[in-house]
Amino acid sequence: EIVLTQSPVTLSLSPGERGTLSCRASQSVKSHLAWYQQKPGQAPRLLIFDASNRATGVPARFSGSGSGTDFTLTITSLEPEDCAVYYCQQRATWPLTFGGGTKVEIK
Amino acid sequence: EVVLLDSGGDLVQPGGSLRLSCLASGFNFDNHVMSWVRQAPGKGLEWVSGITGPGTDTYYADSVKGRFTISRDNSKNTMYVQMNSLRAEDTAMYYCARSGDAFDVWGQGTMVTVSS
Repeated sequence: EIVLTQSPVTLSLSPGERGTLSCRASQSVKSHLAWYQQKPGQAPRLLIFDASNRATGVPARFSGSGSGTDFTLTITSLEPEDCAVYYCQQRATWPLTFGGGTKVEIK
Repeated sequence: EVVLLDSGGDLVQPGGSLRLSCLASGFNFDNHVMSWVRQAPGKGLEWVSGITGPGTDTYYADSVKGRFTISRDNSKNTMYVQMNSLRAEDTAMYYCARSGDAFDVWGQGTMVTVSS
């Protein structure tokens, strides 16, 4: 099973600030990595697929990068509505796995 | 509009059984891999099980292998998961999700509580 480790656990940012979330895989997942945003009481929402492709309707301030074992989700200018938990997920091999999540909060 | 409607969650005793359903609409259901993903209260996301479009291949997390069975009826645009020998640690919100390059469509979730 591929283990995904996300860091930091919590990220406190001021509005307009840049945020960088990390996801590290225990073995290569090539570019088969996605990022999701989840707000309280809601189902997760797909943000990024295949490491760097924004899903339909996702604002341009969200971007993804990386390949192999190291991936990054960047929020270029934090908006209040971006407060949420962010998860990475790999589809390179079964079983599919998620990272433990990073909570983004407003400072 | 692409929609997944999951249902069947309930309060069940330890050792009991439950079947969840996921009704799909707005897309060619039999062309898509589908999955169940769960989230225990206050915890992160855990992939549970997946099934290919024709239903010929199924996959399970170790935590549910041998107890859960995933299936689908493409004539009804519906996916199921039969959950047996339920344990307290199976308590969670269960989501069905369309799987492709990623989980791009999610149901609203159905709550399963395992408690005496």
